[in-house]
Amino acid sequence: AQRVTQPEKLLSVFKGAPVELKCNYSYSGSPELFWYVQYSRQRLQLLLRHISRESIKGFTADLNKGETSFHLKKPFAQEEDSAMYYCALKSGSGPQKLVFGQGTRLTINP
Amino acid sequence: NAGVMQNPRHLVRRRGQEARLRCSPVKGHSHVYWYRQLPEEGLKFMVYLQKENIIDESGMPKERFSAEFPKEGPSILRIQQVVRGDSAAYFCASSGLNGNTIYFGEGSWLTVV
Repeated sequence: AQRVTQPEKLLSVFKGAPVELKCNYSYSGSPELFWYVQYSRQRLQLLLRHISRESIKGFTADLNKGETSFHLKKPFAQEEDSAMYYCALKSGSGPQKLVFGQGTRLTINP
Repeated sequence: NAGVMQNPRHLVRRRGQEARLRCSPVKGHSHVYWYRQLPEEGLKFMVYLQKENIIDESGMPKERFSAEFPKEGPSILRIQQVVRGDSAAYFCASSGLNGNTIYFGEGSWLTVV
């Protein structure tokens, strides 16, 4: 069964501090992993996808198949990073549903 | 190039009434997904549709909920005889044939009073 776990429901860090949002997944095949960000009561926006290996807004994420993790990292947090972050999994290529984790609410304190 | 359009953005219904939520996918997209976000919870998959076909409805409640994506017009998520527990944000998303990127709408917030 496909499952995505984000163990931290809330995460609070100070501006300028490093940020790491954890994501673990359960899937036997070759999944595609994504991070989405949702600012207050707005649409979800794609932040990262593992196959593109790009950095958006200073965030990076590396797929670790051995640990089945896809943690999201940023070296220096900014106040505008405060938002809800969702890790999601798609079971392979092509049009398929996304399975989401519960989300982590990140708050950046000034 | 308009993104995924959902309406209404906010809907208030009394218990027992029907709620209809509409979703127009990105132009050219033929795959639509509906998700529900309960207060303070994550997104839960409900249903995945292609034009005139339901591909996966494993997340749909067995009763009162239905979805369609007709050949012409928007996708509709219909909730009959709403109850307070249906109060949530309902997000629609769409993708093209390759499914590489799924785009989300701004959501429809349903409040049942």
